Amino acid sequence: GAVVSQHPSWVICKSGTSVKIECRSLDFQATTMFWYRQFPKQSLMLMATSNEGSKATYEQGVEKDKFLINHASLTLSTLTVTSAHPEDSSFYICSAPVGTQRQFFGPGTRLTVL
Amino acid sequence: AQSVTQPDIHITVSEGASLELRCNYSYGATPYLFWYVQSPGQGLQLLLKYFSGDTLVQGIKGFEAEFKRSQSSFNLRKPSVHWSDAAEYFCAVRLDQAGTALIFGKGTTLSVSS
Repeated sequence: GAVVSQHPSWVICKSGTSVKIECRSLDFQATTMFWYRQFPKQSLMLMATSNEGSKATYEQGVEKDKFLINHASLTLSTLTVTSAHPEDSSFYICSAPVGTQRQFFGPGTRLTVL
Repeated sequence: AQSVTQPDIHITVSEGASLELRCNYSYGATPYLFWYVQSPGQGLQLLLKYFSGDTLVQGIKGFEAEFKRSQSSFNLRKPSVHWSDAAEYFCAVRLDQAGTALIFGKGTTLSVSS
């Protein structure tokens, strides 16, 4: 089946630094990828839709200048958390739809900002 | 706005007992319906999905779910729970448009007692 990978799986950074998270579709092309955020004991909340070759679409309340998304190829989308702060600590998960019925999730990236 | 409600935040079931996790959705039409499981440190795993047809769907690991249009529900069931089923369970919906993101419920934590 289709596989989505994320790198890194976990990262610890200092407040004020930027962190890049990669999401790759390993055996299929994804013109669209989704980025979700999951706080402890909370559900997944959609942050943005990443579109290959065009600007990402952000959900209401998500700062596009803070969460930079780049979808430069059909197999890679990146999420950069700029000037990270402790409140950005979360579990970030990407997913990619395949056809009209399936959606595959990456294993997630645990971000801890000190 | 579309929403997914999982009324039970935490459920404890004895090993070998039956399980039912509730899920209700709010949407004008019938969306695509999903159940995912998330174990600690693991990514989301699809248990089953409903798109159309038979309202009782079978999934992996012995799970099943029944779609009831009149109740806008999609409850997850398992006749005999195993200790390894302890995890976080998420109900999700997707609008009947290809490539749209999932809307997740807040999740139900399942604990299994011996």
